[in-house]
Amino acid sequence: EVQLVESGGGLVQPGRSMKLSCAASGFTFSNYGMAWVRQAPTKGLEWVATISYDGSSTYYRDSVKGRFTISRDNAKSTLYLQMNSLRSEDTATYYCTSFAPFDYWGQGVMVTVSS
Amino acid sequence: DIVLTQSPATLSVTPGESVSLSCRASQGISTSIHWYQQKSNESPRLLIKFASQSISGIPSRFSGSGSGTDFTLSINRVESEDFSVYYCQQSYSLPLTFGSGTKLEIK
Repeated sequence: EVQLVESGGGLVQPGRSMKLSCAASGFTFSNYGMAWVRQAPTKGLEWVATISYDGSSTYYRDSVKGRFTISRDNAKSTLYLQMNSLRSEDTATYYCTSFAPFDYWGQGVMVTVSS
Repeated sequence: DIVLTQSPATLSVTPGESVSLSCRASQGISTSIHWYQQKSNESPRLLIKFASQSISGIPSRFSGSGSGTDFTLSINRVESEDFSVYYCQQSYSLPLTFGSGTKLEIK
């Protein structure tokens, strides 16, 4: 059974940092591109970042470029999202998902940016 | 950026009816469109990939069609478990974008 389990969310003050993790199992993680997709409260889905199967290529939406870093450890079957200089508009549930299309999804982890 | 416009925003139907949900792209995207279902307080689930390709484990009442700029998700004989929000998403070019969703509700 495919499982993606996110962790690392919570409440953080504006301007601070947070790192999300996503532990994968049930499929060959190192063969898949991966991505983070977020959803602000009561809003729709928004792509955040994507990383290639081997980590050699990464892509970001403009609003997080320079602040967020997506990375992966294929030996640990884990995906990461380092988020720096957080803003209130980054408040959302963050989903780890395989790519592309987005076929496997985690349960999501809530990130709240507030003072 | 490619904008995906979904219509209608809300669709009220009676179980057993068949429905069509629309997704229109702001420019041609071939068949690089995918459809997701999101039930309340759950993660999204992939229903259809590349406009019309079926996904293992998804009921056969869900089907997709279209190419270029106009795409349709069809549900044949809606069942109670289908009442949720449906999103389209394009993988033609970065940034990857989603439509704003169509909420399927019980009439």
